[in-house]
Amino acid sequence: DQQVKQNSPSLSVQEGRISILNCDYTNSMFDYFLWYKKYPAEGPTFLISISSIKDKNEDGRFTVFLNKSAKHLSLHIVPSQPGDSAVYFCAAEIGGTSYGKLTFGQGTILTVHP
Amino acid sequence: DAGVTQSPTHLIKTRGQQVTLRCSPISGHKSVSWYQQVLGQGPQFIFQYYEKEERGRGNFPDRFSARQFPNYSSELNVNALLLGDSALYLCASSLFLAGRARETQYFGPGTRLLVL
Repeated sequence: DQQVKQNSPSLSVQEGRISILNCDYTNSMFDYFLWYKKYPAEGPTFLISISSIKDKNEDGRFTVFLNKSAKHLSLHIVPSQPGDSAVYFCAAEIGGTSYGKLTFGQGTILTVHP
Repeated sequence: DAGVTQSPTHLIKTRGQQVTLRCSPISGHKSVSWYQQVLGQGPQFIFQYYEKEERGRGNFPDRFSARQFPNYSSELNVNALLLGDSALYLCASSLFLAGRARETQYFGPGTRLLVL
């Protein structure tokens, strides 16, 4: 039962353009969402998060959008840089007693071409 | 400040053996979570420990166990290894102060376990 899904295994973007990574979830109890970036031989690195009470959160080149009615979130990277090439995971959490239990999607490999 | 550290970085075991993986959280962090990442998939939650007590457990068999020590470091033990246990095992730490705003989990580089 895949509660968090990233349906695009890979995405290729030209440097300077926008990268849009998508994530869908099925469990309406999720109330906190995060994006992590992972380089080979390293652990996931936190990028940005959003609470279910918001629909948008920005941090520099990264913006996360949340559409609760569609159970969909997306990560926008503008402008994309070659150093952004990595695997991107979305993750979701349920508050209360499930603090600290992240449910991850399968990941999307982003390649940014110079 | 040092990040989350894990040891060993790589490990090769044979079926039926037992393995112990170690994790040291970021200084000041009191919560440690363990995740298993199989190739081509996202990390899957195994355990969370806070103040030396198990606070959450994922859908893993009893062959998997863990503990947290007074200095907040943690060990993950896997008994009777199966081929399917081959994976990257990730440890994450967070401050986890109950009642506070959501706190980010910071991941270590992982231990890559190969079971032959």
